[in-house]
Amino acid sequence: EIVLTQSPATLSLSPGERATLSCRASQSVSSYLAWYQQKPGQAPRLLIYDASNRATGIPARFSGSGSGTDFTLTISSLESEDFAVYYCQQRSDWPPRLTFGGGTKVEIK
Amino acid sequence: QVQLQESGPGLVKSSETLSLTCTVSGGSISNYYWSWVRQSPEKGLEWIGYIYYSGGANYNPSLKSRVTLSADTSKNQFSLRLTSVTAADTAVYYCARVTMGGWYLDYWGQGTLVTVSS
Repeated sequence: EIVLTQSPATLSLSPGERATLSCRASQSVSSYLAWYQQKPGQAPRLLIYDASNRATGIPARFSGSGSGTDFTLTISSLESEDFAVYYCQQRSDWPPRLTFGGGTKVEIK
Repeated sequence: QVQLQESGPGLVKSSETLSLTCTVSGGSISNYYWSWVRQSPEKGLEWIGYIYYSGGANYNPSLKSRVTLSADTSKNQFSLRLTSVTAADTAVYYCARVTMGGWYLDYWGQGTLVTVSS
């Protein structure tokens, strides 16, 4: 089973700052990686798929990069609504099996 | 706009069967895979399995022996059955749509908390 490790666990930043979140896979997942945002009491929301493609309606300040085992989600300038928990997710092998990372909480400094 | 809504008992007794249904509105379940994901403080987000609208399914190996997914195109619903539940199955359960070709989850239900009691 492929394990996704996210770091840091918590990121304390101020509005307007740049956020850089990391997701590392225990073995290559090619570019089959997604990022989700989750706010308290809500379901996760798909932000990025295939490592670097923004989902429908996602603002341009969100960007994803990476391939193989190392991936990054960047929020170029934090807005108040961006403070949330972010998860990465990969699909492996065939038939596909989905796994999630443990999450990074972006909190207001 | 596709919307998903989970329904089912919020409290299940230990050793019994957890059953949830996801009703899809604003679109047909046809031609898509549909998934269940659960979330607990202990395990985080955990994929349970997915099912194609016509019935083919794949499950998380850690739950495979206890899980059955089904789909009903006439009702535009899909369902989850989890047998022999324990306190470890207490979680918020989400249903979600799997993107075509990508195996990501683009539409989610609001989630429903299921508590397993002894």
